[in-house]
Amino acid sequence: NAGVTQTPKFQVLKTGQSMTLQCAQDMNHEYMSWYRQDPGMGLRLIHYSVGAGITDQGEVPNGYNVSRSTTEDFPLRLLSAAPSQTSVYFCASISREGNRYNEQFFGPGTRLTVL
Amino acid sequence: EDKVVQSPLSLVVHEGDTVTLNCSYEVTNFRSLLWYKQEKKAPTFLFMLTSSGIEKKSGRLSSILDKKELFSILNITATQTGDSAVYLCALRGNTPLVFGKGTRLSVIA
Repeated sequence: NAGVTQTPKFQVLKTGQSMTLQCAQDMNHEYMSWYRQDPGMGLRLIHYSVGAGITDQGEVPNGYNVSRSTTEDFPLRLLSAAPSQTSVYFCASISREGNRYNEQFFGPGTRLTVL
Repeated sequence: EDKVVQSPLSLVVHEGDTVTLNCSYEVTNFRSLLWYKQEKKAPTFLFMLTSSGIEKKSGRLSSILDKKELFSILNITATQTGDSAVYLCALRGNTPLVFGKGTRLSVIA
């Protein structure tokens, strides 16, 4: 298994540009989520999905869109990049046994800079 | 709103010391509490706690949960320089994990 993969690893955007951060997992996990990590702020939840076709907002959803057309993929779209979105972005998926969710697996992260 | 507070925010110790990291929380519907270690890249999983009073151990690391007083501690004995990292506490309630800001541990030789 490749686990959780993210692309790109690094990206520089200009203010107003749009782009999509890709996330994929091959563990058949239903639950996936996107976090951003900023110095002194910890990991904050942007959006999450409990299965294909279902998404919901987290703590800091503004400026981001997500979709979940397949179990494997959970892309994060920046509609119009702003310098405040400069951050490290982590995608994660959660393993499940019956009704119980277990540990969360993280992707390697995408470092995004918006100029 | 679910909330996680970690203390201290940073800590510097010498090799061989024992450290205790604290995590207190507020939650509407508790499901589990998790500890992660983060070095330069993505967090790596350490423990998941769901029941009070049951200590989880892995080598020199151990953790315990108190659901009555709403806190957890992570202990590291005989610290080594390789333990230097940010330790994250995360809470699972009704939504995916809510993270604390982390404790930055620096172990000096």
